[in-house]
Amino acid sequence: AQRVTQPEKLLSVFKGAPVELKCNYSYSGSPELFWYVQYSRQRLQLLLRHISRESIKGFTADLNKGETSFHLKKPFAQEEDSAMYYCALSGWEYGNKLVFGAGTILRVKS
Amino acid sequence: GAVVSQHPSWVICKSGTSVKIECRSLDFQATTMFWYRQFPKQSLMLMATSNEGSKATYEQGVEKDKFLINHASLTLSTLTVTSAHPEDSSFYICSANENSGSSFYEQYFGPGTRLTVT
Repeated sequence: AQRVTQPEKLLSVFKGAPVELKCNYSYSGSPELFWYVQYSRQRLQLLLRHISRESIKGFTADLNKGETSFHLKKPFAQEEDSAMYYCALSGWEYGNKLVFGAGTILRVKS
Repeated sequence: GAVVSQHPSWVICKSGTSVKIECRSLDFQATTMFWYRQFPKQSLMLMATSNEGSKATYEQGVEKDKFLINHASLTLSTLTVTSAHPEDSSFYICSANENSGSSFYEQYFGPGTRLTVT
């Protein structure tokens, strides 16, 4: 079964500290992994996807198929990074539907 | 970028009545739209996939007769909650795939509709 696990409900860090939001998945085929972000009172938006292998707003995420993980990282957190982050997976075997993790609230303290 | 709107943003209705929520892709055509439900402090749960010109595909456990979905055009899908009850109170979010012609279809999300059934 397709499943996305985000073990932390809340991650609180100080400004300038490194951030790592954990995401593990289970999927029988070849998944596409995504990170979505939802800032306060805004709609959900795509942050990055593993295929593009790009850095967005300083965030990166590497797909580790051996560990079935797709952790989101940023070396230096900024206050404006405070938001809810959702890891999600999709795949053509699943009709390209998105399966979301429970989400992690990131709070960056000054 | 692509924009998806939802209307209304907030609705209160009495138990037993029906409520219609609209989802529109404003500047692109969406052959596929998705409807999600989100409970407070929980993740998004996919309810159904809406395809233009055909019947919606519902996820396991979602009542088809309760949550009627219509995708009459490439820019509009509607979700009707029939005979609403307080347990249907939730945040309903739609998303739309932009058909860019590539193998990757990015989903663009609407702002959500908060339904409160009294």
